[in-house]
Amino acid sequence: EDQVTQSPEALRLQEGESSSLNCSYTVSGLRGLFWYRQDPGKGPEFLFTLYSAGEEKEKERLKATLTKKESFLHITAPKPEDSATYLCAVQVSGGSNYKLTFGKGTLLTVNP
Amino acid sequence: DAGVIQSPRHEVTEMGQEVTLRCKPISGHNSLFWYRQTMMRGLELLIYFNNNVPIDDSGMPEDRFSAKMPNASFSTLKIQPSEPRDSAVYFCASSPVGGLGEQYFGPGTRLTVT
Repeated sequence: EDQVTQSPEALRLQEGESSSLNCSYTVSGLRGLFWYRQDPGKGPEFLFTLYSAGEEKEKERLKATLTKKESFLHITAPKPEDSATYLCAVQVSGGSNYKLTFGKGTLLTVNP
Repeated sequence: DAGVIQSPRHEVTEMGQEVTLRCKPISGHNSLFWYRQTMMRGLELLIYFNNNVPIDDSGMPEDRFSAKMPNASFSTLKIQPSEPRDSAVYFCASSPVGGLGEQYFGPGTRLTVT
């Protein structure tokens, strides 16, 4: 069974304090790994897709990286507006290749 | 561009009542997904439509749940009869690439069954 585990469950940072969120996965064959941001009371907002080990994607203060077993979301010099729950999801190769299997998320709080 | 539209945003109903949630996907997207989000189980896929045809409904929890997509711009998720354990946030998402790749989520419907 495909599994996605995110850590930590919650992370509290001071503004400007860089850190990383982890997403480890166990799948039969990875087609893609997705990062989403979810604000309270809203739907998940798409951030990145990574397809192969070694790939990196950047957007403003966020950078996502991928290895064969895990992905990291690096947050550089975060601001309070980066506070949100960050979700990762995997899509597998094969028959159910449309399905996103989500982790439980990391709740990030950035204090001013 | 308008994103995925869902209605209602909040629904409070009594146990045993019928509930209908509505979704309008992004224009041009041919794949539509219904998810349920709870604290305990996170985001779970309920059903997937491609070109208005249900492809995978293995995530629908019980026969009390049903979903339809009569055309490319509208889908419904119905619960009849509703139970307190159905309380959750229900999301609709659409994708432009036959279900592959990223999915774009609506704002969700928060359902409370008392």
